[in-house]
Amino acid sequence: QKEVEQDPGPLSVPEGAIVSLNCTYSNSAFQYFMWYRQYSRKGPELLMYTYSSGNKEDGRFTAQVDKSSKYISLFIRDSQPSDSATYLCAMSASPYNFNKFYFGSGTKLNVKP
Amino acid sequence: NAGVTQTPKFRVLKTGQSMTLLCAQDMNHEYMYWYRQDPGMGLRLIHYSVGEGTTAKGEVPDGYNVSRLKKQNFLLGLESAAPSQTSVYFCASSPRTAWANVLTFGAGSRLTVL
Repeated sequence: QKEVEQDPGPLSVPEGAIVSLNCTYSNSAFQYFMWYRQYSRKGPELLMYTYSSGNKEDGRFTAQVDKSSKYISLFIRDSQPSDSATYLCAMSASPYNFNKFYFGSGTKLNVKP
Repeated sequence: NAGVTQTPKFRVLKTGQSMTLLCAQDMNHEYMYWYRQDPGMGLRLIHYSVGEGTTAKGEVPDGYNVSRLKKQNFLLGLESAAPSQTSVYFCASSPRTAWANVLTFGAGSRLTVL
């Protein structure tokens, strides 16, 4: 069983839609949760960083962590064509377990004008 | 501020050839990593370094070697390339702070082994 599961998509939505991206995980020790955005032929870049449970909002983006269900989500409001990218979730139990940062395989999002 | 720079961006090798991928960061980060990204597999850690002169194996280290002679540079070597090493390689770095698990990635090096 993979540590982190993520639906690969692709997910295609019209401009302005609310997008929900999700990951599930198996290790209850995970405390740190991240979302990275990766444009085509580019490296991943950090989008959101959350510690433990709860919500975090940054502009049009909201990250949500439900540790009881081992489930994390990224919501994008008023989606734009520029949001078209692959979104990777990542998580770890500690900032210093360098060989135990786990990444999802990514969900490809396409926002149509 | 360039962040993490990888060279080359593209390379085609024949089976059995060797090559080195170069990674340089200008953020004074302590920790550096090499990942490979394959379709459906996500990012997999090859090797990492927690400081100058140190290296350690990750999840998929076989067929690769690394060196970190200077803090800002992390080199990934393939001694005898195999078609299974066709992939996109990403170098990343992170600081020695509470944000140590927040990685800054390079743009990637796309390697094809024929």
